[in-house]
Amino acid sequence: QQQVKQSPQSLIVQKGGISIINCAYENTAFDYFPWYQQFPGKGPALLIAIRPDVSEKKEGRFTISFNKSAKQFSLHIMDSQPGDSATYFCAAQRPEYGNKLVFGAGTILRVKS
Amino acid sequence: KAGVTQTPRYLIKTRGQQVTLSCSPISGHRSVSWYQQTPGQGLQFLFEYFSETQRNKGNFPGRFSGRQFSNSRSEMNVSTLELGDSALYLCASSLSGDPVYNEQFFGPGTRLTVL
Repeated sequence: QQQVKQSPQSLIVQKGGISIINCAYENTAFDYFPWYQQFPGKGPALLIAIRPDVSEKKEGRFTISFNKSAKQFSLHIMDSQPGDSATYFCAAQRPEYGNKLVFGAGTILRVKS
Repeated sequence: KAGVTQTPRYLIKTRGQQVTLSCSPISGHRSVSWYQQTPGQGLQFLFEYFSETQRNKGNFPGRFSGRQFSNSRSEMNVSTLELGDSALYLCASSLSGDPVYNEQFFGPGTRLTVL
């Protein structure tokens, strides 16, 4: 059962463009939504996270938009750079399950210079 | 501050064997979680340990087990290996297991290949 659906599977963006990755969740018990970035040969690293009481959170070039009623959230990468080329995972967490993360399938982002 | 370390980084085993993977969390972190990453199934939660107790368990067969020591280091064991167990096994540590979410830091993983 895929509780967090992520799209697209892969994305190619020109340098300086905006990369947008979308996720949708089913279980309204989720109350924490982090995004992870993974480079080849490395473990995932936390990029940015949001709680459902906030509709948007921005950190540098990275922004999460959150739509609680639609049960959807998205990652926007502004001014995308070749160094942003990586795999991005959205995830969801619920308090009664401790640190268990439920991940989306991942998006392979390639930024062309 | 040293990050999460996992040993070994690469492992080749044959079907039917068993394997033990090790994870050393960031100093001071008490929660350790394990994930399996495969191209087909993505990142899937195996289990979480906090203060030497298993707090949560994912949907994996009993062949997958783990434990945590008093110094927070953790091991996971897979018995009677199957070809489908070939994966990257990731360990993540965080400061605590409280509902107030703490950032989870992932190690580089152990690449297990089952022949």
